[in-house]
Amino acid sequence: IAGITQAPTSQILAAGRRMTLRCTQDMRHNAMYWYRQDLGLGLRLIHYSNTAGTTGKGEVPDGYSVSRANTDDFPLTLASAVPSQTSVYFCASSPQGTGNPPSRRYFGPGTRLTVL
Amino acid sequence: LAKTTQPISMDSYEGQEVNITCSHNNIATNDYITWYQQFPSQGPRFIIQGYKTKVTNEVASLFIPADRKSSTLSLPRVSLSDTAVYYCLVGDYSSASKIIFGSGTRLSIRP
Repeated sequence: IAGITQAPTSQILAAGRRMTLRCTQDMRHNAMYWYRQDLGLGLRLIHYSNTAGTTGKGEVPDGYSVSRANTDDFPLTLASAVPSQTSVYFCASSPQGTGNPPSRRYFGPGTRLTVL
Repeated sequence: LAKTTQPISMDSYEGQEVNITCSHNNIATNDYITWYQQFPSQGPRFIIQGYKTKVTNEVASLFIPADRKSSTLSLPRVSLSDTAVYYCLVGDYSSASKIIFGSGTRLSIRP
């Protein structure tokens, strides 16, 4: 079982270009998340999806969009990349997005993105 | 939204017990306390979660006093491989956006 896969592993991108980061999970989890982690800092939530067909905004959604057409895939798109979006991007999933006790989150290996 | 405060960094030696304390003075009734571990160049990994008193699993123990305004992650007999960043999260999972990762505690284990 792969868990969560992310692609690409790393990417260097020119400013102004469009980029889609891919995330796929094979655990049939309802909820999925995108985080960014800047050097030496914690993770900040960009967007989330509690179930297929729904999405929500996190702490830092500006400049990013997501879609959740099915349970397994949760792509993150940068419509026009800017240097401040240089970061490591982590995708995560959890069995449930709501309710207590909280479901633990399973993280992917990350995508290192550099925008020049 | 309960804010958490943890030490920025800690050092210890192999074989020692390490305790990392997290303060969350504004914790709400429905909030749970969750700890994650992150190794360099990897995504965070769930360690332990609790609501009150003490929780223990094969990796760590979590101590939560009665007032729940703080919690302590205890790692028994650490090894070099426990060198990582540890995050304390407090929140009500009714909405994913309420769960915030802080800057974490950078734990360094020496031989």
